[in-house]
Amino acid sequence: EAAVTQSPRNKVTVTGGNVTLSCRQTNSHNYMYWYRQDTGHGLRLIHYSYGAGNLQIGDVPDGYKATRTTQEDFFLLLELASPSQTSLYFCASSTRGNQDTQYFGPGTRLLVL
Amino acid sequence: AQKVTQTQTSISVMEKTTVTMDCVYETQDSSYFLFWYKQTASGEIVFLIRQDSYKKENATVGHYSLNFQKPKSSIGLIITATQIEDSAVYFCAMREEGGSAKLIFGEGTKLTVSS
Repeated sequence: EAAVTQSPRNKVTVTGGNVTLSCRQTNSHNYMYWYRQDTGHGLRLIHYSYGAGNLQIGDVPDGYKATRTTQEDFFLLLELASPSQTSLYFCASSTRGNQDTQYFGPGTRLLVL
Repeated sequence: AQKVTQTQTSISVMEKTTVTMDCVYETQDSSYFLFWYKQTASGEIVFLIRQDSYKKENATVGHYSLNFQKPKSSIGLIITATQIEDSAVYFCAMREEGGSAKLIFGEGTKLTVSS
């Protein structure tokens, strides 16, 4: 089973603050994803990547940037955090694209005051 | 448009019984992939089992199995011999072969297993 780790696990920031969420996978997966989970909306895809230096836009990208620095590391950046970005964030990875199972990290709880 | 619907908001069962959770999906694609995940009380999302649309046999992994009814666009999750630790929220998800890499999730079904 894939190993996906996220840091920090919990984060509190203020409106307008900068936040970086980190994700690392150690199973040589090509694809990595960032989701947010909110009550009433389920899980929604923010950004994803199919390799180092690649970035694809998901369904709810506004207010978020992402960067894939290596095959293992995928970062989500909130440069001007807003209360609407308070959420539970999950990173996931998969070997390839459409056909493969996505494995999720443990999640990061972000509170924007 | 793609859509995944789980109509059961919550289910309560006694330990060691069998439970079935429903999921229906909508897709225009002829080839797609269906997944079930479990979200524990700590928030962790764990992959359980998958069904590829072109496979006729229902998938089985441990005490999880699927009831795949393609004409009805339905993929039910069956858990046999339930245990207390099966208490969680269960999500059904779909991915189209020709589409983007994203998973489309249902809203989830909360399962409570009591002794």
